Amino acid sequence: DQQVKQNSPSLSVQEGRISILNCDYTNSMFDYFLWYKKYPAEGPTFLISISSIKDKNEDGRFTVFLNKSAKHLSLHIVPSQPGDSAVYFCAASAAGANNLFFGTGTRLTVIP
Amino acid sequence: DAGITQSPRHKVTETGTPVTLRCHQTENHRYMYWYRQDPGHGLRLIHYSYGVKDTDKGEVSDGYSVSRSKTEDFLLTLESATSSQTSVYFCATSRGQGNTGELFFGEGSRLTVL
Repeated sequence: DQQVKQNSPSLSVQEGRISILNCDYTNSMFDYFLWYKKYPAEGPTFLISISSIKDKNEDGRFTVFLNKSAKHLSLHIVPSQPGDSAVYFCAASAAGANNLFFGTGTRLTVIP
Repeated sequence: DAGITQSPRHKVTETGTPVTLRCHQTENHRYMYWYRQDPGHGLRLIHYSYGVKDTDKGEVSDGYSVSRSKTEDFLLTLESATSSQTSVYFCATSRGQGNTGELFFGEGSRLTVL
């Protein structure tokens, strides 16, 4: 059963606008969340993370929001750029665990 | 970026044959992981290693074995490949435990089992 869910397989956004990618999780033991970005024929690369003690983490154009009560997190990209076009994976882990649970990914297309 | 190379990058094989995928890292990271990526499933952990000769199972370990005889190399073996093991396999490394540390991924190995 998928413990981390990304219900939108794809998203298209105009260049310069905001991209919002969503992620839901079911395991209340998860306390650390990450976003990875993947280009075709490449491995995923780390983008941004957030601990469950925070509700927001910002890094340049990228901000991750965490709503623990709703078991929901989102990644905001502002402004979106064509180079942001990629597949974005949400991931989560529990304290003391060695496993990251990944979502199925959302393909973001930024239209010039 | 961590220097992670996977070989082979592409392989086509037949059901029942053994297959070994190799992951080599140059960053001296303690932890190494094998994931598989499949449509509708995201990335799922097969096995991981927390040191030389120290390995453990992930969530989809059936049909796979691993070995780590040196810090830099982590091998994934399919003893008898099946069509359900057709996938893209990613090796990853991390300095610390993967649950809080950044994972560095290789470029992936695409395996097709006919």
